[in-house]
Amino acid sequence: GAVVSQHPSWVICKSGTSVKIECRSLDFQATTMFWYRQFPKQSLMLMATSNEGSKATYEQGVEKDKFLINHASLTLSTLTVTSAHPEDSSFYICSANPPGTDTQYFGPGTRLTVL
Amino acid sequence: SQQGEEDPQALSIQEGENATMNCSYKTSINNLQWYRQNSGRGLVHLILIRSNEREKHSGRLRVTLDTSKKSSSLLITASRAADTASYFCATPWAQKLVFGQGTRLTINP
Repeated sequence: GAVVSQHPSWVICKSGTSVKIECRSLDFQATTMFWYRQFPKQSLMLMATSNEGSKATYEQGVEKDKFLINHASLTLSTLTVTSAHPEDSSFYICSANPPGTDTQYFGPGTRLTVL
Repeated sequence: SQQGEEDPQALSIQEGENATMNCSYKTSINNLQWYRQNSGRGLVHLILIRSNEREKHSGRLRVTLDTSKKSSSLLITASRAADTASYFCATPWAQKLVFGQGTRLTINP
């Protein structure tokens, strides 16, 4: 199957700093990628849809100035958590669909801990 | 919202037994997908069933879909310890995937 990678797999940062998370589709091109957030023992909540070459589409209640998304190429989307606070600590997961398929392939996730 | 509901929220069974999880959704769909998530990991796609299909098999997995009841079930037969994970159903909506709340499955040796 298709492979999506994320980097880093975990990160610890101080409150007030910014953290960038990368999502790559390794063996297919993705014009669209999805960013999710997951709290412990809960389901995935879609944060935003990343669109290659254009602005991301954010879900209701997600601050676009806090969660900056850049999709500069067909294989890379980045999520930057700006001025991170402890409440931003969570598990962030990206996904993408290979062209012509309905199946989303997920990255392994990034555990963010803000101290 | 389109978000589906799954039951049970948690299921604990003995190794070798069958596990059944159910998913309900709210609006019309053209497919429904099941995913597995091991603790602290990303999601792994298990199976996709289309709206014109009633049942689909993949190894020890059997998925059913009843569009009249807007429900689906995932059956894992002859469970193994390695099947311990959370299982989510997901339905497409507005070019996105909407996930159910998930079932946490524990297989006891």
